[in-house]
Amino acid sequence: SQKIEQNSEALNIQEGKTATLTCNYTNYSPAYLQWYRQDPGRGPVFLLLIRENEKEKRKERLKVTFDTTLKQSLFHITASQPADSATYLCALKSTLGRLYFGRGTQLTVWP
Amino acid sequence: ETGVTQSPTHLIKTRGQQVTLRCSSQSGHNTVSWYQQALGQGPQFIFQYYREEENGRGNFPPRFSGLQFPNYSSELNVNALELDDSALYLCASSLGGTSGNTIYFGEGSWLTVV
Repeated sequence: SQKIEQNSEALNIQEGKTATLTCNYTNYSPAYLQWYRQDPGRGPVFLLLIRENEKEKRKERLKVTFDTTLKQSLFHITASQPADSATYLCALKSTLGRLYFGRGTQLTVWP
Repeated sequence: ETGVTQSPTHLIKTRGQQVTLRCSSQSGHNTVSWYQQALGQGPQFIFQYYREEENGRGNFPPRFSGLQFPNYSSELNVNALELDDSALYLCASSLGGTSGNTIYFGEGSWLTVV
């Protein structure tokens, strides 16, 4: 069965630095990959979607890469701020629209 | 705001009881899916409805069932509740059942089974 791993459960960085989160997957060839942000007690909020034929996508301070050979996606937040502190979820999307989620990485940005 | 609304936001049930959770999808979205998120875990796919028909199901027993209505709103029903059913139940909507369109989540319904 498919397996999605996010590099660490927690990542702590200083304000202004770039946060890099990793998502690795096995036994699957997703058509799309999505990143979500989830705050405690809230539903996931969509951030970015990247297609299998796209290498990189950007949105403001966010950047996502997708390497289907390595079966890996990297999610970057540049010039990080304390308000970026949250859990970030990687999700593979099947052609039927089903999402397979990793456990998430809890990011803490300290001043 | 995603336009996906869920009710109730919190509820407590006793083991063996039944529960119904409700979801209104974003306007124009014809696909609704349900996910279960246990504490410290990522969401797990329960099932998906496209134009009132179930078109995908995860590894959940038959006591988890659902409906989608003509206005594309949806219900998740869980019978014979077990303690392990305690979780955040998330509804998500999108346009189209098999496309690359974005999936938007509601804030979830917190279910506690005692």
